[in-house]
Amino acid sequence: SQELEQSPQSLIVQEGKNLTINCTSSKTLYGLYWYKQKYGEGLIFLMMLQKGGEEKSHEKITAKLDEKKQQSSLHITASQPSHAGIYLCGADDSNYQLIWGAGTKLIIKP
Amino acid sequence: EAGVAQSPRYKIIEKRQSVAFWCNPISGHATLYWYQQILGQGPKLLIQFQNNGVVDDSQLPKDRFSAERLKGVDSTLKIQPAKLEDSAVYLCASSLSRSTGELFFGEGSRLTVL
Repeated sequence: SQELEQSPQSLIVQEGKNLTINCTSSKTLYGLYWYKQKYGEGLIFLMMLQKGGEEKSHEKITAKLDEKKQQSSLHITASQPSHAGIYLCGADDSNYQLIWGAGTKLIIKP
Repeated sequence: EAGVAQSPRYKIIEKRQSVAFWCNPISGHATLYWYQQILGQGPKLLIQFQNNGVVDDSQLPKDRFSAERLKGVDSTLKIQPAKLEDSAVYLCASSLSRSTGELFFGEGSRLTVL
């Protein structure tokens, strides 16, 4: 079965610094989704990537799917306290069912 | 546009008791999902509905969990009897269709089983 591994598991970053979160799949990705979750709340959709090499940006968050479609990275530029939370990647498996990574917990130090 | 509504937000019960969670998806969303999220883990799909039909319930522990979406709108997830390992956040999500890729989540129902 396909698995998603996120790294790092947690991250503490000084406000204003850049950071990158990775999501690696054990199999080819057909669709890759990034979500953000604040503690005690539901998930909020950030972006969807489908094509190898595709890159999308939303405000200061950029996500990219590598050419081989087995890894995605999420990059935050000039981090702010509002970026704190848990970032989860999700992917369609070969049966087009969503599977999820365990999440990366991001803490922003003021 | 109203989001996905879930209730209750928090529930504490003792093991072997029963509990029910309710979800009202975004109006017009045909697909409804129930996920279980244990602390420190990603969401685990329990059941997926397309209108009032079940698409996938392969990971639903059917000896104790049940879910229904009778009129193809709101849905109820029940656990009976609850076990300690059922302590988790139960997330409901909806989407226009499975192919859109964007799921809209409710705030979740946090269950603690003592």
